[in-house]
Amino acid sequence: EPEVTQTPSHQVTQMGQEVILRCVPISNHLYFYWYRQILGQKVEFLVSFYNNEISEKSEIFDDQFSVERPDGSNFTLKIRSTKLEDSAMYFCASSELGGAAEQYFGPGTRLTVT
Amino acid sequence: AQTVTQSQPEMSVQEAETVTLSCTYDTSESDYYLFWYKQPPSRQMILVIRQEAYKQQNATENRFSVNFQKAAKSFSLKISDSQLGDAAMYFCAYRSPAYSGAGSYQLTFGKGTKLSVIP
Repeated sequence: EPEVTQTPSHQVTQMGQEVILRCVPISNHLYFYWYRQILGQKVEFLVSFYNNEISEKSEIFDDQFSVERPDGSNFTLKIRSTKLEDSAMYFCASSELGGAAEQYFGPGTRLTVT
Repeated sequence: AQTVTQSQPEMSVQEAETVTLSCTYDTSESDYYLFWYKQPPSRQMILVIRQEAYKQQNATENRFSVNFQKAAKSFSLKISDSQLGDAAMYFCAYRSPAYSGAGSYQLTFGKGTKLSVIP
């Protein structure tokens, strides 16, 4: 069964550094998403991406964040100048076009900023 | 803006018994989607069940079923014949309809209910 994959599973970085989180969505899906879950809290929407551009973003997704689909398979989240409060689980998700409502999540990347 | 509330931070159930997890939501839309996601200790988000608001029939997936009360804006999850593998965080989530024009279909999650299964 097709699945969303994410790399790395765990990333440790120092405050102020840049990180890139990678995702490979399900191959025939056209909508892509990033969500964040700070430990012990609910999952929060960051951004959605369709047709090579951001379709919607939350208040959390400020200039520190960017997304890109550099090729036909990868979808990346870049966090510039990381802060301690960026420590969280980051989930990538994808969904089909055409009215299908399910979003399929990847296993997540645990980001630890020290 | 839509909000999702899960009023039970933790629940427990005996193995083989039935448990119901509560979820309420607030929206001004008449058509939308509701979901239950399971997050085991591995922290991966797994879709359990979905419900379209325009469907009156409650969704069922094997041992999982929902009680969707649109007027009350309530969407509870019933797990029958609970198994040890059901132990996890369960998140209720809301999504706007496909024609909402937002173009993003973002999910709005509740804070979750931690379910423990007692052998």
